[in-house]
Amino acid sequence: QVELVQSGAEVKTPGASVKVSCKASGYTFTDDYMNWVRQAPGQGLEWMGWINFNTGDTKYAQKFQGRVTMTRDTSINTVFMELSGLRSDDTAVYYCARDGAADVATYFDYWGQGTPVTVSS
Amino acid sequence: DIVMTQSPLFLPVTPGEPASISCRSNQSLLYSNGYNYLDWYLQKPGQSPQILIYLGSNRASGVPDRFSGSGSGTDFTLKISRVEAEDVGVYYCIQPLQIPYTFGQGTKLEIK
Repeated sequence: QVELVQSGAEVKTPGASVKVSCKASGYTFTDDYMNWVRQAPGQGLEWMGWINFNTGDTKYAQKFQGRVTMTRDTSINTVFMELSGLRSDDTAVYYCARDGAADVATYFDYWGQGTPVTVSS
Repeated sequence: DIVMTQSPLFLPVTPGEPASISCRSNQSLLYSNGYNYLDWYLQKPGQSPQILIYLGSNRASGVPDRFSGSGSGTDFTLKISRVEAEDVGVYYCIQPLQIPYTFGQGTKLEIK
């Protein structure tokens, strides 16, 4: 079955960068959109952006423009999300979520397990 | 950005009773193709979110038929016909129509 497996927890100091990976098993990425969503402690969900696995095209929320970079490595069926200039309010669990909807729909049918990122001096 | 507003934010429900969550947007989510771009997710305690409803009223694969979605334009509702213990968690609506996709604040459902 399809599974998205993310990299492990990270602890970073303010100003540093973090790179989170998301590898698909039981499935090969094709023309999918992989989204990244984060959740600060005790808070709701926040969409960060997506990457098209086939073309490498990206769309980011304006809030993260200039700080976030989403990439993919087709040879290892993995997508990456790098966030730079980390601040304490970037402390959150980061999820990858596949938009596997067909036709006109857009929804996230598979999610990774989440990667906790802690930013602290 | 499209603002999504859910109510109530906290919903205590007796097992077997119905439950209803409202989600309103400050812009219409009805696209020119006739579809409403509004999805519902449930995040159970300690888990990643899971899709329940897409395009306003379509149940995702494997979702029990006690869950239903309705609404159009700016006003949407998620209904659970008979709440079960396994339905506890936080329910989120999201609009995937316009970048940035935006979520509602979440509605926490608990069992009385």
